[in-house]
Amino acid sequence: DTGVSQNPRHKITKRGQNVTFRCDPISEHNRLYWYRQTLGQGPEFLTYFQNEAQLEKSRLLSDRFSAERPKGSFSTLEIQRTEQGDSAMYLCASSLVWSSGYEQYFGPGTRLTVT
Amino acid sequence: DAKTTQPPSMDCAEGRAANLPCNHSTISGNEYVYWYRQIHSQGPQYIIHGLKNNETNEMASLIITEDRKSSTLILPHATLRDTAVYYCIAQFFGNEKLTFGTGTRLTIIP
Repeated sequence: DTGVSQNPRHKITKRGQNVTFRCDPISEHNRLYWYRQTLGQGPEFLTYFQNEAQLEKSRLLSDRFSAERPKGSFSTLEIQRTEQGDSAMYLCASSLVWSSGYEQYFGPGTRLTVT
Repeated sequence: DAKTTQPPSMDCAEGRAANLPCNHSTISGNEYVYWYRQIHSQGPQYIIHGLKNNETNEMASLIITEDRKSSTLILPHATLRDTAVYYCIAQFFGNEKLTFGTGTRLTIIP
């Protein structure tokens, strides 16, 4: 299967610790997105990359959050000094833009629990 | 992007067509209508999108009214695996961020 993969699938951490998630997009896709989803809500956009350039960041992405896509392939999302409110599902998606619209392909997500 | 309104939940009998409505009365002429679904504990899955014309693919059909103020996603022969939350999104082409609402929770009844 060559879909979007995310690791780890689950992460439990203590408040104040740093965590890092990885996303591997579909290989030919040049755009990569991060979303966050809390229970009972739809996913919320965090940020996206075109190749290695981070082109947009949501106001949800506080200073404690940083995302990178160093070679335009995989991406990492780091949360520093985690808080209980960071507990959520973190979803990664990738896409390839074409002329009449495009779809985003999502990975299975990383579920973060901050205790 | 235009706001969309969907019923919070719907049931459909297995084998019947599931018709999921979406209202997007403020949609502008160059906003696409996208449908995604999210099966429990999985990431969202793209289903279909359209601008003006009705669209069909192997998963579903999308019917957009002539005034484009509403649309209906049709799953022609629903199966238990179609139980999911379905999201309708109105989005400008080129706007990278999908804005998900709370969607419609569709339950397929055996």
